[in-house]
Amino acid sequence: LAKTTQPISMDSYEGQEVNITCSHNNIATNDYITWYQQFPSQGPRFIIQGYKTKVTNEVASLFIPADRKSSTLSLPRVSLSDTAVYYCLVGLSGNTGKLIFGQGTTLQVKP
Amino acid sequence: GAVVSQHPSWVICKSGTSVKIECRSLDFQATTMFWYRQFPKQSLMLMATSNEGSKATYEQGVEKDKFLINHASLTLSTLTVTSAHPEDSSFYICSAGGIVSYNSPLHFGNGTRLTVT
Repeated sequence: LAKTTQPISMDSYEGQEVNITCSHNNIATNDYITWYQQFPSQGPRFIIQGYKTKVTNEVASLFIPADRKSSTLSLPRVSLSDTAVYYCLVGLSGNTGKLIFGQGTTLQVKP
Repeated sequence: GAVVSQHPSWVICKSGTSVKIECRSLDFQATTMFWYRQFPKQSLMLMATSNEGSKATYEQGVEKDKFLINHASLTLSTLTVTSAHPEDSSFYICSAGGIVSYNSPLHFGNGTRLTVT
């Protein structure tokens, strides 16, 4: 299972764009990259998933270079409510997906 | 869609008693469910993988006789913490994988806070 490396913490201000980069040098051909958000005392919430290039949804964008050894989660115009821990995971999804969590990135958004 | 429900959301029990936590997939069939444990200020740690109708697969270091997992149907998995002790106090989270498509993301329940006194 691919190991991921993320910054332990990041600070930002309201209204700014936040980019969190994750390294996954040992990603396998069939692995997907998935990002989750977790608030205290809640389960992780799915944000976005991708395999290659760029994926965008209503809350975030995910950029994946051609070698897929890293990925960047981009949160546009963050607000105080985006303060949370963000986890990058790689692995098979769906009914075969055994996901191993790394330490995650604690994002603190300041007013 | 893809809602995973956990019950109870929190439970307090006395040392030596057993506690059962339920994980349900509300709008899809979950062939595989995963159980995690999370201590304060730490990441989620995978405890076991359960497949419907078969025995769970436990991660190294997790006592299978202490953490009993049953996945009797495609919508329900249970985790029973037997003879609980204060060191078992933690946040337990389940996730479920369905047959929507092979690349569907896993969805997580909202967790169960267990406090053993």
